[in-house]
Amino acid sequence: EMQLVESGGGLVQPGGSLRLSCAASGFSFSSYWMNWVRQAPGKGLKWVATIKEDGSEKYYVDSVKGRFTISRDNAKNSLYLQMNSLRAEDTAVYYCVRGSENWGQGTLVTVSS
Amino acid sequence: DVVMTQSPLSLPVTLGQPASISCRSSQGLIHTDGNTYLNWFQQRPGQSPRRLIYKVSDRDSGVPDRFSGSGSGTGFTLKISRVEAEDVGVYYCMQATHWPFTFGPGTEVDFK
Repeated sequence: EMQLVESGGGLVQPGGSLRLSCAASGFSFSSYWMNWVRQAPGKGLKWVATIKEDGSEKYYVDSVKGRFTISRDNAKNSLYLQMNSLRAEDTAVYYCVRGSENWGQGTLVTVSS
Repeated sequence: DVVMTQSPLSLPVTLGQPASISCRSSQGLIHTDGNTYLNWFQQRPGQSPRRLIYKVSDRDSGVPDRFSGSGSGTGFTLKISRVEAEDVGVYYCMQATHWPFTFGPGTEVDFK
């Protein structure tokens, strides 16, 4: 069965850093574009970052460029999101998404002092 | 960025009756590969989003056939032929033709 399990969320102060992980199983991870999508509390969905199958292409929404880095380790079937210089507006549930079809359960990131 | 709009933003429905949600994009969504990457998602309360429709009208595996998608250019529609109790939730359209991919604001579907 195909699974995406996010981890690494939590409470962090403004200006701090956090690294999210997504453990993939049940499919050939190295064959898929992978993505991070976030949802602020009570709000809609926002695409954050995308990475190609081999990691050679990466795309970011403007609001996180220069602060967030998407990466992957195909040998470990894992996707990552390094988040630096965090702001209150980054508070959200972060979803790991395979293509646009399969979503994890999400991990909550709260940026607050 | 491509702006996605949806109407209505709130849709009161009646069990067994049809329902329809419109989605408009600020630019055409035909990709250079000839496909139109317009998706529809359902998010039930407390759950992760679930993709229902991809490439305008292709239904995902396991999605009931009461859900259908249509449209072209900049105008798209999600239709539910007969609403069932489990259809309550928020529905989002999303374009994956132009980076950054963008979602509509969501349409909340609930019973009258």
